[in-house]
Amino acid sequence: DTAVSQTPKYLVTQMGNDKSIKCEQNLGHDTMYWYKQDSKKFLKIMFSYNNKELIINETVPNRFSPKSPDKAHLNLHINSLELGDSAVYFCASSVTSGGPISGANVLTFGAGSRLTVL
Amino acid sequence: GQQLNQSPQSMFIQEGEDVSMNCTSSSIFNTWLWYKQDPGEGPVLLIALYKAGELTSNGRLTAQFGITRKDSFLNISASIPSDVGIYFCAGQLGNAGNMLTFGGGTRLMVKP
Repeated sequence: DTAVSQTPKYLVTQMGNDKSIKCEQNLGHDTMYWYKQDSKKFLKIMFSYNNKELIINETVPNRFSPKSPDKAHLNLHINSLELGDSAVYFCASSVTSGGPISGANVLTFGAGSRLTVL
Repeated sequence: GQQLNQSPQSMFIQEGEDVSMNCTSSSIFNTWLWYKQDPGEGPVLLIALYKAGELTSNGRLTAQFGITRKDSFLNISASIPSDVGIYFCAGQLGNAGNMLTFGGGTRLMVKP
């Protein structure tokens, strides 16, 4: 059973389209995240979300929006796709309380979704 | 925002050699994590460090949380071909959102 699963793994689309990437975690974690990995492999946080608070990296365009139907899911919606949005997008989750012994703040990542915008 | 400088950017070593990589930060972190990413996969946690000066091992891997809380290193002893991948350090302040800041990665290549 995959702990953090993302779909689709590959997504090829045209500029201007709207697309979504889904993420589900079965770890019982209370916080989920989206990261973007560019062609140079640099990982950049986009969003952090638990059932109380959404924290947005201010550099993320508002064409990107996270949607969380419940604690186990955090989907990423992207409107009006641009060429520069091509990247690998990683979902992750963590438990944020309980201190080091509980493994707090340790992120578990999904396998990634490679988005190619033509 | 915080910057994490990870070095070296890449290493090409012979099987059996020891490897050392490190991260330095302009800010203090409360947690340091080391991840490994295989091709086509997401990063997988190797070692988590929670206390300044802490030295932790995981098999052939050893990592330390720098005493100034602004740096960390990862050593791999007696490298093997399956050590190939990209190694990332990540720091966390422990503040709202618990977001990790990642270093730029060290790409390790091992020659059998």
